[in-house]
Amino acid sequence: NAGVTQTPKFQVLKTGQSMTLQCAQDMNHEYMSWYRQDPGMGLRLIHYSVGAGITDQGEVPNGYNVSRSTTEDFPLRLLSAAPSQTSVYFCASSYGGTGGFGELFFGEGSRLTVL
Amino acid sequence: GESVGLHLPTLSVQEGDNSIINCAYSNSASDYFIWYKQESGKGPQFIIDIRSNMDKRQGQRVTVLLNKTVKHLSLQIAATQPGDSAVYFCAENMWDDKIIFGKGTRLHILP
Repeated sequence: NAGVTQTPKFQVLKTGQSMTLQCAQDMNHEYMSWYRQDPGMGLRLIHYSVGAGITDQGEVPNGYNVSRSTTEDFPLRLLSAAPSQTSVYFCASSYGGTGGFGELFFGEGSRLTVL
Repeated sequence: GESVGLHLPTLSVQEGDNSIINCAYSNSASDYFIWYKQESGKGPQFIIDIRSNMDKRQGQRVTVLLNKTVKHLSLQIAATQPGDSAVYFCAENMWDDKIIFGKGTRLHILP
């Protein structure tokens, strides 16, 4: 059972480049989300989705796009990378959302550096 | 505003002692709270959760206490072990499906 799989694990970009962080889960979870983690800032919610075809903004959505065409996949797109987007990105999933239907299962993270 | 915060960024505890990690939340409408543990280089892992209709929940060596009157959450770890060294986060499940994390507390175990 793979759980939540993120790719790539490491990426270096130049300012202005675009890229997509991939996230896939094989647990048939409805809820998926993306967080970024900066030193001393904890995890901040970027975007989340309560099911296929539904996405919504989190705390820090600017500069990022998401889509949810299938239950399994939730890619995060950086349209024009900026140094402020240097961070560790975590994808997470759970079988529910509101009311606490279950805990979040996290991927191993993707470390992104923007030069 | 909507925020989940922690009182202490770093906590040092003697091995074998009990650890208490605190968390304050500000949204009284939240009804579900979760504690996560994050080891270096890994994603956070679930420890224990509690719903707002409870004030205490126990797991294996861990207890979560919820005080809704003062919007305070705590995680108690009994007989702290070296493997408990990690960063601990509380998280708040908001009414709009957002799950918001606090900044975290680093637990350091003294030999």
